[in-house]
Amino acid sequence: AQKITQTQPGMFVQEKEAVTLDCTYDTSDPSYGLFWYKQPSSGEMIFLIYQGSYDQQNATEGRYSLNFQKARKSANLVISASQLGDSAMYFCAMRGLPLRVQGAQKLVFGQGTRLTINP
Amino acid sequence: DTAVSQTPKYLVTQMGNDKSIKCEQNLGHDTMYWYKQDSKKFLKIMFSYNNKELIINETVPNRFSPKSPDKAHLNLHINSLELGDSAVYFCASSRPDRVLTNTGELFFGEGSRLTVL
Repeated sequence: AQKITQTQPGMFVQEKEAVTLDCTYDTSDPSYGLFWYKQPSSGEMIFLIYQGSYDQQNATEGRYSLNFQKARKSANLVISASQLGDSAMYFCAMRGLPLRVQGAQKLVFGQGTRLTINP
Repeated sequence: DTAVSQTPKYLVTQMGNDKSIKCEQNLGHDTMYWYKQDSKKFLKIMFSYNNKELIINETVPNRFSPKSPDKAHLNLHINSLELGDSAVYFCASSRPDRVLTNTGELFFGEGSRLTVL
């Protein structure tokens, strides 16, 4: 079974500063994937970034980067130069091996971190 | 064009009623899901269908019954609604696993907020 832990219920950051959101995981699957999603107050779930367990390099997508430390089982999200629009809930999630050949992906989510960017 | 669309977006109903939430995706994906987000924002998978076949069926009361008439649609019917069913229900889909670049990313709908009074 997979487990995701986000230990920061809330974070407050000044605009333009960098912010790191913590995520640790646990799994016995040899291959897995890690995701970060953003949920603004409007409620939709927005995919931000993905890291595969065998990827050699840390994933980056614009201002988002994923600090993947496999030995520590951590997959922290780093947002550079934060903006007011970054204020939202952020969820870390993971998937293990597909459950069947057809490939249903069971994503397990963490509890989320509410990020507030102050002007 | 909305990729994953759910209706209704808001649903307010009395305890004991039966209600349905509909979901449609136009992404050509084979697999669809229902997730429940509770009042503490915790997201948990309920069901998954692959090409109309039930693949994932988590520990969910029998009052919840998914139905997939075709691979582009996945509906959720809830019988005898209880107060604890109040939540946001998200529909999602994912690419076929045969696609080599498939990361398993979920494409979510906008959510359906169910309030049971």
